[in-house]
Amino acid sequence: NAGVTQTPKFQVLKTGQSMTLQCAQDMNHNSMYWYRQDPGMGLRLIYYSASEGTTDKGEVPNGYNVSRLNKREFSLRLESAAPSQTSVYFCASSEGRSSYNEQFFGPGTRLTVL
Amino acid sequence: GENVEQHPSTLSVQEGDSAVIKCTYSDSASNYFPWYKQELGKRPQLIIDIRSNVGEKKDQRIAVTLNKTAKHFSLHITETQPEDSAVYFCAASKGSASKIIFGSGTRLSIRP
Repeated sequence: NAGVTQTPKFQVLKTGQSMTLQCAQDMNHNSMYWYRQDPGMGLRLIYYSASEGTTDKGEVPNGYNVSRLNKREFSLRLESAAPSQTSVYFCASSEGRSSYNEQFFGPGTRLTVL
Repeated sequence: GENVEQHPSTLSVQEGDSAVIKCTYSDSASNYFPWYKQELGKRPQLIIDIRSNVGEKKDQRIAVTLNKTAKHFSLHITETQPEDSAVYFCAASKGSASKIIFGSGTRLSIRP
């Protein structure tokens, strides 16, 4: 069991470039999440998906789009990267559709936007 | 929406002493409060959680208390050890909903 995997691990972009962060889980979980982590700001929810085929905005969705491709995969897209999107991005998944279930995090993607 | 505030942002304690981290939440409908630990360079992991029908929960050296009236909850670590050094995040949610909102984190350092 690999758990939650993310690619890439590191990425440097120029302002205005686009990219997609990939996330996959092999635990047959229903819910998946994307967070960003900035110093002193904790983990802020960008988007989440309570089940295959559904997505909802979190606390800081502006500048991002997501796709729940199937039950396993949940991708995060930056259409036109900005320096303010420099951050560490974590994907997470949980078994049920409610938040009572433990969230399992991926290893993170460190993104720098110049 | 829900807002979670966490204090202090940094905490340094002598090995063997106790550490307390406090959080407040704004939405009285929140009923689930997990705590996550993130070691340096690692991913966050759940260490303990509490539901609103319980006032206190304990797991070995870690305990969490909840005061629904005041809308605050706390993490207590007793007999601290070097491996307790990490960033700790509190969070709150309405359990029936998928999303949880995290606090800003507390960096705990254990002095030898």
